[in-house]
Parts: sequence; C-alpha cells; structure tokens
Amino acid sequence: EAQVTQNPRYLITVTGKKLTVTCSQNMNHEYMSWYRQDPGLGLRQIYYSMNVEVTDKGDVPEGYKVSRKEKRNFPLILESPSPNQTSLYFCASSNGGDYNEQFFGPGTRLTVL
Amino acid sequence: QQPVQSPQAVILREGEDAVINCSSSKALYSVHWYRQKHGEAPVFLMILLKGGEQKGHEKISASFNEKKQQSSLYLTASQLSYSGTYFCGTEYGGYNKLIFGAGTRLAVHP
Repeated sequence: EAQVTQNPRYLITVTGKKLTVTCSQNMNHEYMSWYRQDPGLGLRQIYYSMNVEVTDKGDVPEGYKVSRKEKRNFPLILESPSPNQTSLYFCASSNGGDYNEQFFGPGTRLTVL
Repeated sequence: QQPVQSPQAVILREGEDAVINCSSSKALYSVHWYRQKHGEAPVFLMILLKGGEQKGHEKISASFNEKKQQSSLYLTASQLSYSGTYFCGTEYGGYNKLIFGAGTRLAVHP
C-alpha cells in the first residue's frame, strides 16, 4: 500500500531534550516536506527536500533540522525543543512536477513541557 | 504571503451548495485544495495550474482566476461526508513550496 508513515504518533517530552520524528514513504517520491499545524494558522511548511541531500527552508524553520540521506526517509530533528514547538506535525511527499499532489502522513502530536 | 480563505466557517444542510474562496496577493503558479477530517491527515482534492489545466477527483470542481489570483472550490449537493476543514495551498514558483491558508471549516448536517 502506498503510504507515508511517521513515528511516533504521539510524544510528550520536556524542554531541551533532543528528539527525532521519523518519516518514510514507499512511493519513490522525489519531494518531501514537513509541516506543523496550529489552530487558526493552517499548515506551515518547516523544511522541504527536492532530492537526496537537497533540502531548503520553509516558512518556519527556526528550531528544526532535517536530513535526507535516503530517498525514502526524511527525519525531523528538534535539537532543543521548547514549549512553542508543541504542535501537530505532518510529513508529506510528492512526485514534483506540475501535478505535485501532497501525500500526507498520519501526523505526530508533540507536546513539549 | 499566506493566502486568504473565505469564509472561515460554513454550516450546511445536506443537499445544499457552498463555495470556498482562496485569494493571493501574489501571482500564482498553482493552487491545491485539500480536505482534512478531524484527527486525520489532509487529503488531496484538486490541483489547478496557471493556464487552466487541472487534476482532481471527479466529484469536486474548482476554478482558477489568474487575473484575480483567486481560486474557488465548489461543493454541490453536499453530503455528510463533506464535513471537515478545507485548505487551499498556493505555489508561486513551481518548486514544491506550498503555502497553505488558515482553512475553512465546513459542517454538513442532516
């Protein structure tokens, strides 16, 4: 089944404790992105990647890191999480080109205390 | 740069129609539409390209006015399953960098 998977689905952590949210897709997509969703603000892009080893900042990259060492994986790293990073996070992938519909993962709900 | 969606919320009875608008202050390359049900991930509905091409689900229709930099999503003969939050995503340079609107909440009641 074509899908984007994220782990963990739920995470409660404390300020400053490094964490990684994994994202994997099995559709051989070139493009992958991370979004955060907050009430009233919609989906905001954190980082995106056009291919292996090629990443670029989205609209809200501060406090986040990403890497794309393999085509299928695009982990999101929070080196020193803070309470303002409490949010719902979605990973997405797409084929790029004109019709680059985004396929979203199930989401990761992160709470930073 | 975030596109502006209107209305913010809509309440419908089954069978009624609705239009959701998405406006940008910058020239658009494409507009995406997604629907998100509570507790779930957004799901693709449609893409409209500058120049008139579009791709999406058969039962969904939308328009893209390049002069006004505006897209509209038309929901006709609404069903209970249409309930959710609708997001438009705008693309300005064709680099897969999407900027989403704040969303329009749609509730369809029997």
